Amino acid sequence: KAGVTQTPRYLIKTRGQQVTLSCSPISGHRSVSWYQQTPGQGLQFLFEYFSETQRNKGNFPGRFSGRQFSNSRSEMNVSTLELGDSALYLCASSLGSGGNTDTQYFGPGTRLTVL
Amino acid sequence: QKEVEQDPGPLSVPEGAIVSLNCTYSNSAFQYFMWYRQYSRKGPELLMYTYSSGNKEDGRFTAQVDKSSKYISLFIRDSQPSDSATYLCAMNDGSSNTGKLIFGQGTTLQVKP
Repeated sequence: KAGVTQTPRYLIKTRGQQVTLSCSPISGHRSVSWYQQTPGQGLQFLFEYFSETQRNKGNFPGRFSGRQFSNSRSEMNVSTLELGDSALYLCASSLGSGGNTDTQYFGPGTRLTVL
Repeated sequence: QKEVEQDPGPLSVPEGAIVSLNCTYSNSAFQYFMWYRQYSRKGPELLMYTYSSGNKEDGRFTAQVDKSSKYISLFIRDSQPSDSATYLCAMNDGSSNTGKLIFGQGTTLQVKP
């Protein structure tokens, strides 16, 4: 099985711009979660999508949004970029059924630099 | 106070040493406990997955969970230079409607040849 793929792998943007990141989950996985990783805060949960619906959300401002398509692929969008948004954005996929068989598998991440 | 606390290290050990990595947590609802390994410039890779209290062994790796103390550990036996990475503990309450994982800060491990 192919793993979780994320595109692009690297992005450089300037303050005020917006950005869209893409994630393709493992085949058969219906849940996609997004995380932000920074040296200071570590890995922080952004949101989770399951069957095209957001079913969980972390404590991030409304500038961070996402969506999921019928094929389970997901995108996240950050509008009005700030310097503090520079981070590694990680996508994780799972079956989405919960319980002790539902583990999350991470993609390689998209490294976003805001100048 | 963070829900999950993990000593960020860095931790430096000689090859062949036994490594102990630890996390403490505050939320008693957590039931599922994971250890991820992350190499530089890569995404986290699932190493161990444990449900509730007890031990789980996989090769050179042993995961322990003590729910009464809200304390989890990962032991690495006969450590190798290839084990040099950041180790992240993660956990959640296992409810069916969330994939949200709470992570520790990560411990950076260096195994010297």
